[in-house]
Amino acid sequence: DAKTTQPNSMESNEEEPVHLPCNHSTISGTDYIHWYRQLPSQGPEYVIHGLTSNVNNRMASLAIAEDRKSSTLILHRATLRDAAVYYCILRDVASGAGSYQLTFGKGTKLSVIP
Amino acid sequence: GAGVSQSPRYKVAKRGQDVALRCDPISGHVSLFWYQQALGQGPEFLTYFQNEAQLDKSGLPSDRFFAERPEGSVSTLKIQRTQQEDSAVYLCASSPRTGRYSYGYTFGSGTRLTVV
Repeated sequence: DAKTTQPNSMESNEEEPVHLPCNHSTISGTDYIHWYRQLPSQGPEYVIHGLTSNVNNRMASLAIAEDRKSSTLILHRATLRDAAVYYCILRDVASGAGSYQLTFGKGTKLSVIP
Repeated sequence: GAGVSQSPRYKVAKRGQDVALRCDPISGHVSLFWYQQALGQGPEFLTYFQNEAQLDKSGLPSDRFFAERPEGSVSTLKIQRTQQEDSAVYLCASSPRTGRYSYGYTFGSGTRLTVV
């Protein structure tokens, strides 16, 4: 299975943009890039996903490198409520188990400074 | 309800006791998943249901773990003869479908199991 690499932790000042990186150098053509986040004492929450093109939704933006070997989750204006662990996950829709299993790593713990 | 509901929120069990954890998925969601999250780690897959059929139970750590979803809605994760290593947060997630057209899964807040 293709793996992802994320920094263990990052800090951001409140109301500033945050760029959370993810490396996935062994990504396959059928791997979708998914991001989830987990607030303290909560279950993971879906944030965004993409395949090749950059994606935007009300929560965040996802920038995908042209070679797809890395991606960046962008929070445009960090708030205290964005303090969470952010997980970058690859889902291979062509693989039986990979099409439905989420393989979480340790993620990036984002701290937001008031 | 609007989200995935799990009960109880917290459970303390004596070693050797049997426990049952309940998950109420979002109404109409076909797919249901159970995950286990140890302290400081990311969630790990346990099992997957499509309606009432358990299609994948490869992540269940031992035969003491058993999951069911008899009517394709509510699911129960049962752990027999609990051990200290079973202490973790157990998360349930549901989705309208799986595969290419499945986007985000909705997770519940989990049940924190502590075995003493």
